[in-house]
Amino acid sequence: AAGVIQSPRHLIKEKRETATLKCYPIPRHDTVYWYQQGPGQDPQFLISFYEKMQSDKGSIPDRFSAQQFSDYHSELNMSSLELGDSALYFCASSYDEGVTEAFFGQGTRLTVV
Amino acid sequence: GENVEQHPSTLSVQEGDSAVIKCTYSDSASNYFPWYKQELGKRPQLIIDIRSNVGEKKDQRIAVTLNKTAKHFSLHITETQPEDSAVYFCAEGMDSSYKLIFGSGTRLLVRP
Repeated sequence: AAGVIQSPRHLIKEKRETATLKCYPIPRHDTVYWYQQGPGQDPQFLISFYEKMQSDKGSIPDRFSAQQFSDYHSELNMSSLELGDSALYFCASSYDEGVTEAFFGQGTRLTVV
Repeated sequence: GENVEQHPSTLSVQEGDSAVIKCTYSDSASNYFPWYKQELGKRPQLIIDIRSNVGEKKDQRIAVTLNKTAKHFSLHITETQPEDSAVYFCAEGMDSSYKLIFGSGTRLLVRP
């Protein structure tokens, strides 16, 4: 069965550089969530989109932005990267209005050096 | 505000014993409570969830109970096996929103 696809799987960037993470939800899923997970930490909610509109916002820095496109894939854009941005970034998707069963992608491991 | 407290942070049990993890939430509007299992370096995977219109749900060795009055819910794993060893996260959400707020996680170790 198709799952949530994230790319790239690994990314190494230098401080002050930019990074773009991509997420392709499960077909027919209309909601995408982005989470940041530091080592030994719980996933921290960043932002979500429902039907291509931003639906909820969490602890996403102003240096980050995201959007959901017409084909429902989503991109997380991260600028002026800092060492503290190093983390696993997960995308999850779900179907139907409101919060429901969310399936996670395999994550993108971002390392800022 | 949104907050989920999860206890214990670590739990070690003997194979075959039961394990119980508890979470407490603060927002009375929350009505969706999933549990995720995460192995090292891998994605969180949903193992069971419950909505506020039921008090208990069971799936083989896994069960979740919900006490709306006390605002807490628990994960119960019976007949634990070494492959149950992982980090378990509870989460809360509500139909009017599009986010899940996670607890801090419980590292479960099942000793053979």
